[in-house]
Amino acid sequence: GAVVSQHPSRVICKSGTSVKIECRSLDFQATTMFWYRQFPKQSLMLMATSNEGSKATYEQGVEKDKFLINHASLTLSTLTVTSAHPEDSSFYICSARVGGREGYTFGSGTRLTVV
Amino acid sequence: GENVEQHPSTLSVQEGDSAVIKCTYSDSASNYFPWYKQELGKGPQLIIDIRSNVGEKKDQRIAVTLNKTAKHFSLHITETQPEDSAVYFCAASIGSGGSYIPTFGRGTSLIVHP
Repeated sequence: GAVVSQHPSRVICKSGTSVKIECRSLDFQATTMFWYRQFPKQSLMLMATSNEGSKATYEQGVEKDKFLINHASLTLSTLTVTSAHPEDSSFYICSARVGGREGYTFGSGTRLTVV
Repeated sequence: GENVEQHPSTLSVQEGDSAVIKCTYSDSASNYFPWYKQELGKGPQLIIDIRSNVGEKKDQRIAVTLNKTAKHFSLHITETQPEDSAVYFCAASIGSGGSYIPTFGRGTSLIVHP
């Protein structure tokens, strides 16, 4: 149990376009999901906390207008990278926690390449 | 906030040897310590965890130890196999309000040579 599905796994887009990444909890409901960014050979950096039915909470230094987060249902959160630029190229990972458990389950990640 | 230090950054061992990865944390209020394994191009997977009221936990070839006084915890892998090769992250979290949001270490790249 506790599976988090993330799509797409890879995406290449042109500079200036927007890209949407989906994160779904398959067998549990998640009122809160988390979005991370990971640079090569680096740790995971928390970008924002996605809250079902309310606004996301962004970490310091993360541009809200650049990284739009929508958590419209208890099983789906989306991250949209708007007007993407090459410096947005990275590995994006979502996670969620099953209520009553301490550990977080992570999605398989999305490799974004902006050309 | 919490700060987690992890060492070494790279660990190379021969198949069958043991591997030890060490982490320290700064916030004495942290009470939950998970370890994640991340294979290339994939998201992290929880492999073992320990709570602050326990000193040691074992699951087959992996074990984790916790020293609350020293704010130190370690991952031990015995009889390493090539499929253990991956990046391992330690994390520390506080269960206040039920959040348990982890603060991650910088990761250890474990390479197991056949």
